[in-house]
Amino acid sequence: RKEVEQDPGPFNVPEGATVAFNCTYSNSASQSFFWYRQDCRKEPKLLMSVYSSGNEDGRFTAQLNRASQYISLLIRDSKLSDSATYLCVVNLWGGSQGNLIFGKGTKLSVKP
Amino acid sequence: DADVTQTPRNRITKTGKRIMLECSQTKGHDRMYWYRQDPGLGLRLIYYSFDVKDINKGEISDGYSVSRQAQAKFSLSLESAIPNQTALYFCATSDLSAFRGINSPLHFGNGTRLTVT
Repeated sequence: RKEVEQDPGPFNVPEGATVAFNCTYSNSASQSFFWYRQDCRKEPKLLMSVYSSGNEDGRFTAQLNRASQYISLLIRDSKLSDSATYLCVVNLWGGSQGNLIFGKGTKLSVKP
Repeated sequence: DADVTQTPRNRITKTGKRIMLECSQTKGHDRMYWYRQDPGLGLRLIYYSFDVKDINKGEISDGYSVSRQAQAKFSLSLESAIPNQTALYFCATSDLSAFRGINSPLHFGNGTRLTVT
């Protein structure tokens, strides 16, 4: 099982839709979690940090399920500007990856 | 000004040439990282450094070397560039959260697009 897995998509949704992405992780010692947004050919930018059960910021909600080892990102009332790739990042203790493991990303396309 | 600055933004070089990518930061973070990104493969860690005297190999360090000249500077070198090193390269920084004892989120530079012909 890969350390961090995401559905690559693409998710094609109409404006105003609610869309959810899941990210599963294999290491139960994972300490914290992040969602990043990446536009084409640009640098990833932090969207949300998740340290406990979840976090909400406007239209975006992240939830953590430690028992099942997944985090989710929910986007309500999708906007055209939400079109991007969303990266899940898991923070571990130790390991060979500088403690941070990236998923390959889920592509979202919001259509008019 | 950007907190994490990468130079150059774009570079085209020939096979066998030596090339250096520079990264500097004004965030005061101890931890710095070099990643490459290829379509379909996501971000892959090349090297990382937790302090000035600390250098660690990442997932794909072969063919690369790094130098942490100061807390604020972390450079990536390709000693003899080859075409499969064509990619988008990102530098990133983070800090160790004293409160939680874990990594703070990564802050990325705006990337260097490298093409090796």
